[in-house]
Formats: sequence, C-alpha cells, structure tokens
Amino acid sequence: RKEVEQDPGPFNVPEGATVAFNCTYSNSASQSFFWYRQDCRKEPKLLMSVYSSGNEDGRFTAQLNRASQYISLLIRDSKLSDSATYLCVFNQAGTALIFGKGTTLSVSS
Amino acid sequence: DAGVIQSPRHEVTEMGQEVTLRCKPISGHNSLFWYRQTMMRGLELLIYFNNNVPIDDSGMPEDRFSAKMPNASFSTLKIQPSEPRDSAVYFCASSLGGGTPKLFFGSGTQLSVL
Repeated sequence: RKEVEQDPGPFNVPEGATVAFNCTYSNSASQSFFWYRQDCRKEPKLLMSVYSSGNEDGRFTAQLNRASQYISLLIRDSKLSDSATYLCVFNQAGTALIFGKGTTLSVSS
Repeated sequence: DAGVIQSPRHEVTEMGQEVTLRCKPISGHNSLFWYRQTMMRGLELLIYFNNNVPIDDSGMPEDRFSAKMPNASFSTLKIQPSEPRDSAVYFCASSLGGGTPKLFFGSGTQLSVL
C-alpha cells in the first residue's frame, strides 16, 4: 500500500459548486497533516493544516479521521481561482513532509 | 524577503553530463529540502538538512546524486552523470525548522536530460 493515496481527478465543477477531496495514508504513526495547493507550473504552497477536531478557513474545511486514516478537504462556493492541484501532506515527528501526488480541480464558469 | 531562490530555472543537457542545481534558502530558515516532481511519482523528498547537516538522504535515487550545504545560505544538488530518467522539476524548499509544517518552495528547476 502506498504511503499516501489521492484520487488524481480531474474534478471538473462549475462555479459555486461544493467539492470534496479525500486522501488516505497508510502509516498510523503519522502525526501532522496538511493541504498544500499547487498552481500549474508553480511551486506548492501551504493551504491549511488539518486538526483532529476539524478546522475551517473561509470556504475551506479540513477534517482528519484517524480511525479510518484519511483526511479531507471541502471547498464551498468554488471560484475560478480555486482551479489548482491540491496535495495531501503529512509527516511524523522529526521527519520531512511527505506529499501525495495531488488531486486536480478545474472550476469553470 | 526574496524567498527561496533556485537557479537555473531551466536546464537542458545531454546524457552523461554533470548537472548542478543551486538553492538559496530564506535567511534565518534552519531547514532545507530538495524535492523532485514528476507526473508519474509526484513530489518526492530527496534529502533534507537541518542547520546545514544532512538529516535524511534516503530519498536520493543513487550514487549519481549528491547534495551539499556548505553554509546556511547555499545548497547544491549535483547529478553526475545525468540520465534521461532524471528529467523532472527539482524544487528546493526551506523552513524555520523545529517541526513547522510551512515549507517555502523555490520556483523550481526544470531539468531535461536528452
């Protein structure tokens, strides 16, 4: 089983739609979880951390399910500018970040 | 701050040639990372340094790859000899260290080995 798995997509949604991505991880010792965003031909940038209790940042909601070993990202009221690849990221204490291959989102008008 | 600076932005070389990628991290950042990104394998960690010391190089593909960090403001990733399968985007990133999850990436070097 791969360390982290994401549906590559693409997810094609209209503006205003709600879309959700999941990411599963295999190492139960994983401690910290994040979502990064990568625009086409650009570098990845931190979008948000993922906390056990779930957390929101505007239209974005992240959740962690340790029992089932997955994290999720929910985007409400999608904007054209949300079009990007969303990378699931995790690490264990003292290790570098491990990145998933990403899920591509395309928002159209 | 100028952010993480990588050079060159693009490198095209022939198989067997030596390639050197350069990175200047953000001033004050204690950790530096080299990642490689391809469509097939995604973003892979090659090596990372804390306070200029290599901590984990298990991601370095083979002996053809080497990385150095002679001081806090400069790192190199060298491939010798290069092969077509090394073609990828190579990202350098830095962070404050201490477990902070926020990596600041450079713009990457697009390497093509013919």
